[in-house]
Amino acid sequence: RKEVEQDPGPFNVPEGATVAFNCTYSNSASQSFFWYRQDCRKEPKLLMSVYSSGNEDGRFTAQLNRASQYISLLIRDSKLSDSATYLCVVNWGSGTYKYIFGTGTRLKVLA
Amino acid sequence: GAVVSQHPSWVICKSGTSVKIECRSLDFQATTMFWYRQFPKQSLMLMATSNEGSKATYEQGVEKDKFLINHASLTLSTLTVTSAHPEDSSFYICSPLKTSETGEQYFGPGTRLTVT
Repeated sequence: RKEVEQDPGPFNVPEGATVAFNCTYSNSASQSFFWYRQDCRKEPKLLMSVYSSGNEDGRFTAQLNRASQYISLLIRDSKLSDSATYLCVVNWGSGTYKYIFGTGTRLKVLA
Repeated sequence: GAVVSQHPSWVICKSGTSVKIECRSLDFQATTMFWYRQFPKQSLMLMATSNEGSKATYEQGVEKDKFLINHASLTLSTLTVTSAHPEDSSFYICSPLKTSETGEQYFGPGTRLTVT
């Protein structure tokens, strides 16, 4: 099993659609979880941290399921500008700054 | 937030030559620096972790004699790809560690290396 696994996509959705991505991780000791956004040929940028209770930031909602070891990202009312690759990032164990990146899920929002 | 710069942003070199990539944290001091590389359509892979003033720790499969890391100051780290080969062509990204409540990582803009 990969350390952090994501469906690579691409997910092609029309503007205004709702789309959800999942990510599974193998290390049960992981404590910190993030979704990053990466545009083509650019560095990753933090989209949102993922908290145990779930959190929402505008059109974006992140959930964490520790029992099943997966995190999710929901994007509502998709915009053309949401087209990017979304990276799931997990820290590798408690008290460590080593982070493992998923391969990313590519999203294309179509007009 | 944090401001991180990398130089150069893009470089083409001939096989066998060496390339130095600089990473600077412009508005904070970083005792720890992470270096990643990303091949096309793949994830970021951690290459090494360096602490200012000490030797870097390399991940399994990364040759320490090929990828020389110098972290001489709290605001500057360099990665030198020695005797570069076409398979070293990749996107190299630095990430200076800035401790935050959220654990967010900050990344440099990346250096795209093409070895011909």
